[in-house]
Amino acid sequence: DAGVIQSPRHEVTEMGQEVTLRCKPISGHNSLFWYRQTMMRGLELLIYFNNNVPIDDSGMPEDRFSAKMPNASFSTLKIQPSEPRDSAVYFCASSSSSGTTDTQYFGPGTRLTVL
Amino acid sequence: GENVEQHPSTLSVQEGDSAVIKCTYSDSASNYFPWYKQELGKRPQLIIDIRSNVGEKKDQRIAVTLNKTAKHFSLHITETQPEDSAVYFCAAIYNDMRFGAGTRLTVKP
Repeated sequence: DAGVIQSPRHEVTEMGQEVTLRCKPISGHNSLFWYRQTMMRGLELLIYFNNNVPIDDSGMPEDRFSAKMPNASFSTLKIQPSEPRDSAVYFCASSSSSGTTDTQYFGPGTRLTVL
Repeated sequence: GENVEQHPSTLSVQEGDSAVIKCTYSDSASNYFPWYKQELGKRPQLIIDIRSNVGEKKDQRIAVTLNKTAKHFSLHITETQPEDSAVYFCAAIYNDMRFGAGTRLTVKP
């Protein structure tokens, strides 16, 4: 298995631009998680899906952030418009359980820099 | 919601010594406590986890203990090796999920 796949691995954009991060979970996993990691705030859960349905989006910082999971093998996290404070590493993780209380496998992350 | 505190923020030990990292949590409903290791520039990887119906779990040189009454849990690494150097994160999970701020462990050869 290839594990969780994220793209792009690095993204540099200018303030105000739209950014789309992509994630392919491990085949057969039915829960998907989006995290943001910064030095200041550590690792934060943004949103998670179960069977393609958003379960908890309370960690999404504001309306500029949106996430979708149109099918079991693909999810996107979109930031529009992007701001310099959005610069962070964004991780996607997946799990075979239907909730949060099981092993999560992280992708390699997308390092986002907003100038 | 859940709040997780992790100590120490940095820890330096000699190779072969033991390392202990402690976390406290606030939500008594939390019932799953994973520990992740993150090497520089890499993804977090689960190294061990414990559930609320268990007090201790061991996997080779790594062990985790849980005290539900006191709401704290700890990671113990014995016979540390330089490759154990990384940032370690704890988490407390029920419906809410919170990570500790991380502990940077350095093992000196």
